[in-house]
Amino acid sequence: DGGITQSPKYLFRKEGQNVTLSCEQNLNHDAMYWYRQDPGQGLRLIYYSQIVNDFQKGDIAEGYSVSREKKESFPLTVTSAQKNPTAFYLCASSSPPNYGYTFGSGTRLTVV
Amino acid sequence: AQSVTQLGSHVSVSEGALVLLRCNYSSSVPPYLFWYVQYPNQGLQLLLKYTSAATLVKGINGFEAEFKKSETSFHLTKPSAHMSDAAEYFCAVSDRGWTGNQFYFGTGTSLTVIP
Repeated sequence: DGGITQSPKYLFRKEGQNVTLSCEQNLNHDAMYWYRQDPGQGLRLIYYSQIVNDFQKGDIAEGYSVSREKKESFPLTVTSAQKNPTAFYLCASSSPPNYGYTFGSGTRLTVV
Repeated sequence: AQSVTQLGSHVSVSEGALVLLRCNYSSSVPPYLFWYVQYPNQGLQLLLKYTSAATLVKGINGFEAEFKKSETSFHLTKPSAHMSDAAEYFCAVSDRGWTGNQFYFGTGTSLTVIP
């Protein structure tokens, strides 16, 4: 079945470390997205990519980086510059806008 | 830019009662509209979508929503709540033009079902 796979489901990061969250889709979708979710704040867009080798900053890109070397993959790196990284991270993909977004199951990142 | 307003961050209903979750959008051109559901520690799952066909849209799990252009609303309803409906619900709007990033989410409504 087609879908989006996020890994790992849970991730722990020490202060000052960079960590990378994986997002892979086999839906042949052109666009991919990363959202951050905090309690009571809904979804906030971090980065998005419409095509391979191109990506755009979202509303809260500071302290994050991405790459889009393959259509299927859109990894997110949470850098040490992100001062409050503890959150639930969601990856999504889409094709034409009337199809909506397909979401992965999320990665919960905790700073220890 | 689009915006989506979900009235009521928390809604409680008794089991068997009507569920009504409100969503209003701001757009001069009718957009595409969606409702998603999120269970704890999971991703978002599409409940239903409006893309300019029938204004009353039926989705999964007995939910439906009605697009009302005059009220710029897309409220989600279910005639009889089940315990399994307890979750977070998000309304989202998408522009009709394909620009790659035109999906706007509401802040969510947490639904509690009281036995």
